[in-house]
Amino acid sequence: DSGVTQTPKHLITATGQRVTLRCSPRSGDLSVYWYQQSLDQGLQFLIQYYNGEERAKGNILERFSAQQFPDLHSELNLSSLELGDSALYFCASSALAGGPGNEQFFGPGTRLTVL
Amino acid sequence: AQSVAQPEDQVNVAEGNPLTVKCTYSVSGNPYLFWYVQYPNRGLQFLLKYITGDNLVKGSYGFEAEFNKSQTSFHLKKPSALVSDSALYFCAVRVPYGGATNKLIFGTGTLLAVQP
Repeated sequence: DSGVTQTPKHLITATGQRVTLRCSPRSGDLSVYWYQQSLDQGLQFLIQYYNGEERAKGNILERFSAQQFPDLHSELNLSSLELGDSALYFCASSALAGGPGNEQFFGPGTRLTVL
Repeated sequence: AQSVAQPEDQVNVAEGNPLTVKCTYSVSGNPYLFWYVQYPNRGLQFLLKYITGDNLVKGSYGFEAEFNKSQTSFHLKKPSALVSDSALYFCAVRVPYGGATNKLIFGTGTLLAVQP
């Protein structure tokens, strides 16, 4: 158990809908990362927050947004869902925003299925 | 642009034999390299990392990795494979943003299958 929790574990929804994925980082970690894992794209970095502020952005679609709250938990919002958004979404956390060797600890993921 | 390549989609090895999972990288500047393992229906687990120093890095579950700067490689190794090592292995490189972020670029993953 990494100490990173994600809810829900599974989510099934229809095209055009909006969903929210939730992540709680390890105790004491200030940085949260979101990744998308799909068969065709592999494991891709979406976005990083550090202590409530956006720190880095990757291949995140405009239909997707995220935020980190004062209690450090984070939410990933996916809207106008398309079939291609079906994937496993991982959250990870680390103690700091950067610096060498600051490894990330991953949650169990949320499996999103868009029908 | 920074990238990581895992040339093998799958590696098959018999239990008790040594295993190697290959990874090559392309980065500007000093690379920070990582190996993660993903078991079925689980998140990624950190195995080991290379930051600086000794080229042979030891990690969890008896795994080690050898950093080779001239060949830009960071292969994962284990002297004696176990059936329980069967999983998906990812190599990753940290993108250097002047220390401001730790975002990782992952390889495509290599499925390790250890036969009894």
